Order: sequence, then C-alpha cells, then structure tokens
Amino acid sequence: DVKVTQSSRYLVKRTGEKVFLECVQDMDHENMFWYRQDPGLGLRLIYFSYDVKMKEKGDIPEGYSVSREKKERFSLILESASTNQTSMYLCASSLMGQGAPGANVLTFGAGSRLTVL
Amino acid sequence: QQPVQSPQAVILREGEDAVINCSSSKALYSVHWYRQKHGEAPVFLMILLKGGEQKGHDKISASFNEKKQQSSLYLTASQLSYSGTYFCGTVDNYGQNFVFGPGTRLSVLP
Repeated sequence: DVKVTQSSRYLVKRTGEKVFLECVQDMDHENMFWYRQDPGLGLRLIYFSYDVKMKEKGDIPEGYSVSREKKERFSLILESASTNQTSMYLCASSLMGQGAPGANVLTFGAGSRLTVL
Repeated sequence: QQPVQSPQAVILREGEDAVINCSSSKALYSVHWYRQKHGEAPVFLMILLKGGEQKGHDKISASFNEKKQQSSLYLTASQLSYSGTYFCGTVDNYGQNFVFGPGTRLSVLP
C-alpha cells in the first residue's frame, strides 16, 4: 500500500514559534502537496512540488514555505506561527503522468492538527 | 481558483439518491472525486478524464461535461457507509496544480 506519513498527528505551538511539518511517502511519487483544511472551506492548496528542489505556490502560500531536498520528503514550514494558522494540515502525493494507471491519484497522509496559542 | 460545489450539505435516508455538482471557471483537463469520512483522510473515488465521460463504482457514478466545465457525482440507493464529505478536485494538464472544491457533506440516516 502507498503510504504517506506525517510526522506529527497533533502539535501545539506558541505564536511566533517556527514550526516544521514533515511528510514522507514511500512510493516514489514525483508530486507532493500540502493542503490545509478548515470547516466550510474544504481543502486549500498551500504549496506543491513536482520534483526535488522544485516548488510551486498554491492558492494560499502566504506565511508558509516548503522544502523538498529528497524525493520522498516534503516539509512545510511556518516561519513564525500565528493563531490564524491553527488548522488541520494534510500532505498528499501522486504519480506524475497523463493516462498512466494511477497517475495523478492523490494519496493523503493522516493529517497534522496544529494549534497555535 | 477553487471549483464550486453544490449543495453544501444533504441529508438522506438509506436507499435514497443524491447528486452532487461541481463546476469550475477554468477549462478542465480532468475531474477527481474524493470522499472523507469523519476523522479520516480523503480517499480517492474516481477520475474523469474525457469530456462527456461517465464512470461508475458500485452505486456511485459520475459524469464530466468538459465543455460546460462541470461534473456531477451520482449516489444511488445510498447506504450508511456513504456518509462523509465529498470533494471534487481539478488538476491542470501536468497533474500538478491540484485544487479542491469546498466539499459537500452527505449524511445518510437509517
């Protein structure tokens, strides 16, 4: 089974702290994504990456940065956490390709619930 | 950027049918449907790749009208296990900029 593992299930941080959310996938997927999920707003794309060291902004990148030094690992960084970043964060990965079996199907991690006090 | 979904929420009795709609202001290459049960990660249901394509999975099927930039998810003879939030997702030609709609919360009651 494809596995996407998020390092922390629950985190509580203080305003102004630097926060790292780690995501690792074990299926050699090219694409990796970070979403945040808030009630009534669904899943909003923060950043995605289609290759090592490559990153693209999604719809809500402000206040976040990402790092992809290895193909299997995609990290989300909150340089200075704020209370409005309290949310559920979901990492996902997918195989690149058009028409290939399983291509572009997202597999999600279990999520990291971040509370910023 | 986000696709629009309707309705926001629907409550059904077991055995009833439901339709969830998804539309986008952008030209669509493909539409994906995912279901998320409470406290769990979203799970893939199906992809629709071609204009006018219809696909089915058990008693859940979907259509995709590329020209109208719309997709609909059909749930027939709903079961309790269908409860959850359904998201449509759209992706660019490279399969990279993957954005979801706000979700439709479906509750199936006995």
